[in-house]
Amino acid sequence: DIQMTQSPSTLSASVGDRVTITCRASQSISNWLAWYQQKPGKAPNLLIYDVSTLESGVPSRFSGSGSGTEFTLTISSLQPDDFATYHCQQYNSYPLTFGQGTKVEIK
Amino acid sequence: EVQLVQSGAELKKPGESLKISCKGSGYSFTSYWIGWVRQMPGKGLEWMGNIWPGDSDTRYSPSFQGQVTISVDKSISTAYLQWSSLKASDTAMYYCARQRDDNTGHIKIDYWGQGTLVTVSS
Repeated sequence: DIQMTQSPSTLSASVGDRVTITCRASQSISNWLAWYQQKPGKAPNLLIYDVSTLESGVPSRFSGSGSGTEFTLTISSLQPDDFATYHCQQYNSYPLTFGQGTKVEIK
Repeated sequence: EVQLVQSGAELKKPGESLKISCKGSGYSFTSYWIGWVRQMPGKGLEWMGNIWPGDSDTRYSPSFQGQVTISVDKSISTAYLQWSSLKASDTAMYYCARQRDDNTGHIKIDYWGQGTLVTVSS
């Protein structure tokens, strides 16, 4: 199985901050990586796929980059609605695997 | 509008069987994989497996192979996840999720059900 490791596990930030979350794969996954946002008590929501393609309706302050084994999710200016947990997921090969999640909390 | 509507919360005893459901609407049900994802309390997401409703081709994560069964009834656009003998460690939220291909051969989750909370306790 491909292991996905996110860092940090928790991130404290303020509204307006630029926030970056990293996701590392245990082997190359090319560009087959997605990011999901999950709010407490809710299902995850697709933000970005194929490393950097924004899903329809996702604000442009979200962006993704990387290739191979190292990837980042950046929120350019954190908004109140963005405090949530973010998960990366590889879909290069079965079984699909997720990172452990990064919780973005209010500083 | 794409919707995946899951069955309601369950409280079961260890050793009991269970089958939960996920009904798709607003899209061609037989043209997308349906997967299941587990989230244990306070933990991350774990992909369990998926099924192609067109021919019931099923893939399982090795971690869940033999522990659960994924099935589908395409006549009613519904996928299922079932256990034959529940354990306390099966207590979790279970999400169904539509998986999209975009003609790349690599499938990503694009829509999620609302989740079904399964609690197993004596």
